[in-house]
Amino acid sequence: DTGVSQNPRHKITKRGQNVTFRCDPISEHNRLYWYRQTLGQGPEFLTYFQNEAQLEKSRLLSDRFSAERPKGSFSTLEIQRTEQGDSAMYLCASSLLAGYQETQYFGPGTRLLVL
Amino acid sequence: GDSVTQMEGPVTLSEEAFLTINCTYTATGYPSLFWYVQYPGEGLQLLLKATKADDKGSNKGFEATYRKETTSFHLEKGSVQVSDSAVYFCALSDSYGKLTFGQGTILTVHP
Repeated sequence: DTGVSQNPRHKITKRGQNVTFRCDPISEHNRLYWYRQTLGQGPEFLTYFQNEAQLEKSRLLSDRFSAERPKGSFSTLEIQRTEQGDSAMYLCASSLLAGYQETQYFGPGTRLLVL
Repeated sequence: GDSVTQMEGPVTLSEEAFLTINCTYTATGYPSLFWYVQYPGEGLQLLLKATKADDKGSNKGFEATYRKETTSFHLEKGSVQVSDSAVYFCALSDSYGKLTFGQGTILTVHP
């Protein structure tokens, strides 16, 4: 068990550019979540997958955001035409749903700065 | 919708002092409750959890009891250490697993 990993750890981009983040969950975890955390706030839910199916998307996830989890393993989160308001820490978490119980384990996050 | 409210910080204590960080929640159904901790420069780590009313979660000397009647999950520790300095987040999960977090409480412990 190597934990949840995220790449890159930091990303600086110019407004209008596209960026893509990757999350590798704990192996055999069937659920994967994306959250966004801005300075001084708690994380906010963006979207989640069970295996390869995307089951829910937050209203925070505008049409510039897209997430995928091909083959139910790693996941990518893409932001198109970035805006300064997208600057935040993007967190990934994974869990193993067993019955009705699950505990989410978080990665270190990708910090995005849009100039 | 679901929400979590934590006591305002920052909280500053001397080593060996007693710690309480208040957390109350609003939710439909029967959420699970969590405390996560974020040490400087690190990611979120699960500190403890409770899945039903009157359950007590505990870890590393920290405790919290799921109080359905007061919709609370206050975090306590009898004697804090400098190494406990971090940001603490209270959270609940809905029936689909999605977490809703409080705004976080910064704890600083001085020697």
